[in-house]
Amino acid sequence: KAGVTQTPRYLIKTRGQQVTLSCSPISGHRSVSWYQQTPGQGLQFLFEYFSETQRNKGNFPGRFSGRQFSNSRSEMNVSTLELGDSALYLCASSLGARLNTEAFFGQGTRLTVV
Amino acid sequence: AQRVTQPEKLLSVFKGAPVELKCNYSYSGSPELFWYVQYSRQRLQLLLRHISRESIKGFTADLNKGETSFHLKKPFAQEEDSAMYYCALAVYNQGGKLIFGQGTELSVKP
Repeated sequence: KAGVTQTPRYLIKTRGQQVTLSCSPISGHRSVSWYQQTPGQGLQFLFEYFSETQRNKGNFPGRFSGRQFSNSRSEMNVSTLELGDSALYLCASSLGARLNTEAFFGQGTRLTVV
Repeated sequence: AQRVTQPEKLLSVFKGAPVELKCNYSYSGSPELFWYVQYSRQRLQLLLRHISRESIKGFTADLNKGETSFHLKKPFAQEEDSAMYYCALAVYNQGGKLIFGQGTELSVKP
């Protein structure tokens, strides 16, 4: 069974640009969550999608958005990039609607904003 | 407020010594707690969850609601246990999310 796949693995963008990150969950998983990981703030929740609906959103500005497609694949978009957006962005998928089922993480997309 | 605290950034022990990684949480509801581990150059993966009451790779964790703690323990550390360990709390509000602690780096020396 293929794991959670995130593309691209690395990105370098300039301040003011926008970026789209992609996440393919494990086959059959309907819940996809996104997290931002930085040395200072650690792992912080961005959003959670289940069956194409955003059910939960973290405390991030509106520049951060996402969506989920009918095949459960998800994308997140960051517009008007700032230097502080440099981070590792992790996607996690799980089988059910509740997190007491295991969340499987991807290897992440390393975003560097210059 | 919902919060997970891991007071130690780094824990260094010798092989064969007991290990305890501390985790305290703050949550008004019924907690669902997890330990995730990240080995060098590998993805974050679930180590154990309190509802399963299982032992994985010799690690155990007991939920203590009175002390709001979920400490991770292993009686005899191995070098291959060296990794970053994250304690996480599942919170539900329509959807669900994991609130992570800052992580503890465990270093097991030979």
